Amino acid sequence: NAGVTQTPKFRVLKTGQSMTLLCAQDMNHEYMYWYRQDPGMGLRLIHYSVGEGTTAKGEVPDGYNVSRLKKQNFLLGLESAAPSQTSVYFCASSDNEQFFGPGTRLTVL
Amino acid sequence: GQQLNQSPQSMFIQEGEDVSMNCTSSSIFNTWLWYKQDPGEGPVLLIALYKAGELTSNGRLTAQFGITRKDSFLNISASIPSDVGIYFCAARGVGSSNTGKLIFGQGTTLQVKP
Repeated sequence: NAGVTQTPKFRVLKTGQSMTLLCAQDMNHEYMYWYRQDPGMGLRLIHYSVGEGTTAKGEVPDGYNVSRLKKQNFLLGLESAAPSQTSVYFCASSDNEQFFGPGTRLTVL
Repeated sequence: GQQLNQSPQSMFIQEGEDVSMNCTSSSIFNTWLWYKQDPGEGPVLLIALYKAGELTSNGRLTAQFGITRKDSFLNISASIPSDVGIYFCAARGVGSSNTGKLIFGQGTTLQVKP
């Protein structure tokens, strides 16, 4: 039982490049979330999903897209990366309490 | 919108001392959670509280759900060096029961001097 896993762990992008972050959970949770964490800003919700095939915007959705084609996976996409998207990204899944993945450190140059 | 005010922002204490931190809000919540984040890792759930007035312990950690439903505190007794990290409070309101969304405090950074 791996819990919540995220790939990749680290990534460096140039401005304008695209990438997809993958989150996978093996706890059969309905709800999944993507957060970003920046110094002094705490955890801010980007997008979330309440079930397979559904997604919704969180607090800071601009510049990101998500997809939940399978219940166990939640993908976060950056179509055209910007330096302001340099951050640590966390995925979480939940049935009642949220459980977090180890994070992806993204740097956009 | 709903907001959690977590204090203190940071603490630097001597090993063996007790620690107390709290979160307050002007909004009412149904669930309070406390997480710890080690450097370079994701937050890990420490304690979950579901009823106003509830007092729950997990080893040296004790947390309470305020009776007004607007606040919660976390105490750590007899701190040890591995308690170092960032502690976050999180809460869920009535309106988020069908989404599971949480609101997070800004975090309390704890440093322990051996």
